[in-house]
Amino acid sequence: DADVTQTPRNRITKTGKRIMLECSQTKGHDRMYWYRQDPGLGLRLIYYSFDVKDINKGEISDGYSVSRQAQAKFSLSLESAIPNQTALYFCATSGGLAGASRNEQFFGPGTRLTVL
Amino acid sequence: DAKTTQPTSMDCAEGRAANLPCNHSTISGNEYVYWYRQIHSQGPQYIIHGLKNNETNEMASLIITEDRKSSTLILPHATLRDTAVYYCIVSQGGSEKLVFGKGTKLTVNP
Repeated sequence: DADVTQTPRNRITKTGKRIMLECSQTKGHDRMYWYRQDPGLGLRLIYYSFDVKDINKGEISDGYSVSRQAQAKFSLSLESAIPNQTALYFCATSGGLAGASRNEQFFGPGTRLTVL
Repeated sequence: DAKTTQPTSMDCAEGRAANLPCNHSTISGNEYVYWYRQIHSQGPQYIIHGLKNNETNEMASLIITEDRKSSTLILPHATLRDTAVYYCIVSQGGSEKLVFGKGTKLTVNP
C-alpha cells in the first residue's frame, strides 16, 4: 500500500462549488504539505503543517483553506472553486529527524482537479 | 523565485551516464542542494541531497563544486524509466520551503 494517498484522484467540478481534497499518510511523519502544479511549471506551495496545531500559509494560499484533522490527515478545501484553480494537486510529508533530512519529502500520487 | 538555473531539456542514450547540471551561484553557507525528479505527472520523488561533499546513493551521485556555486547530478547508467523532469533545489536544512523551478526534462533514448 502507498505511504501517502490522495482522494479523489480526479475531480471535475463547476465554478462556485466547494471541493475538498484529502491526504492521508502512514509514514508517521509530522510535517505535511499541499502543492499545486500547473502545466509546464514547477510545484508551488499552498499550505504546510508542522503538526496538528501548526498551520502555515505557503506561496499561493489565497482561495484555499486546510485542516489537519490528525497527524496522518491533511485536507485542502476550495471554498468556491474557480477555473484558474484547475491544476494538479500534490500532498507531501516529511519527518526526518533533523536538519537536511527534514527536506526529504514524500509525495502522494496527485489529484487532477478541473473547474469548469 | 527558484535560486537555481537548469537547462530546459537534455537527451541521453540508454545505458550511458546522464549528467544534469545546476547553477546555484547565490547559495549560502547553510543551504543544501536537493534533487527531485517527477516522472510524467506523478508525485515528485526525492533523489539525493548534499551540502559540500560529494554524495552517492543507490539512485545517483551528486557532485558539488568546491565553491558550491554549481552541482551535477549523475545517473550512472540511464534507463528509459529515468525519463523525467529533474529539479535542483536549494534550501536550508529543516526549512519548510522547497521551491521548485521548471527543472530539466531528461529524455533517455533507446
